[in-house]
Amino acid sequence: QSALTQPASVSGSPGQSITISCTGTSSDVGGYNYVSWYVQHPGKAPKVIIYDVTIRPSGVSNRFSGYKSGNTASLTISGLQAEDEADFYCTSYTSSGTYVFGTGTKVTVL
Amino acid sequence: QVQLQESGPGLVKPSQTLSLTCTVSGDSVTNTYYHWSWIRQPPGQGLEWIGYITYSGGSSYNPSLKSRVTISLDTSKNQFSLNLRYVTAADTAVYYCTSVTTGTSEYGDWGQGTLVTVSS
Repeated sequence: QSALTQPASVSGSPGQSITISCTGTSSDVGGYNYVSWYVQHPGKAPKVIIYDVTIRPSGVSNRFSGYKSGNTASLTISGLQAEDEADFYCTSYTSSGTYVFGTGTKVTVL
Repeated sequence: QVQLQESGPGLVKPSQTLSLTCTVSGDSVTNTYYHWSWIRQPPGQGLEWIGYITYSGGSSYNPSLKSRVTISLDTSKNQFSLNLRYVTAADTAVYYCTSVTTGTSEYGDWGQGTLVTVSS
């Protein structure tokens, strides 16, 4: 299975909104509403911020929102803050009954 | 919410078997609310899904690793384990154990991760 495609890097100024894309195929992202997003700060374990495309776990800031159209899922971070500088990963369920991660996106706050 | 802790050797020789255990606290590994997963991250690289085991012992594995990997449950110790056979340097990574909320894509609880280096 091939990794989902994410931009290597995205940047924005504090207070701005940015969007990270996650492109797969009809056999993964496009075929199921089982896409989740994770944030990973250096030296730390990843933390879930969105699951099932749009659902935010309890305690996660409402500045994070998820969306899907066709074979591409997207994560939007609104009101960008310095603490959002981290790596972000998407993952999707696949038609083989497995999961596949995205290539990862480094977010830089200018 | 559960707590997870990985344990196992930090150094494994090439061609041998990498064996890690994840101890779960705060709930039972047989709780139908969870599946249990292993994910790894080579140094400086992205995340790779290894596989998961269900509360009833069913499993699913990454096709690229399927011939070498086994994930198992030990209900008496409230643990689940990863065995990866015939390792090479390419298997050097931080290995994470996680919970997966049944029926969702939520990998909600993670261990702190453990670095396993494959080297002679």
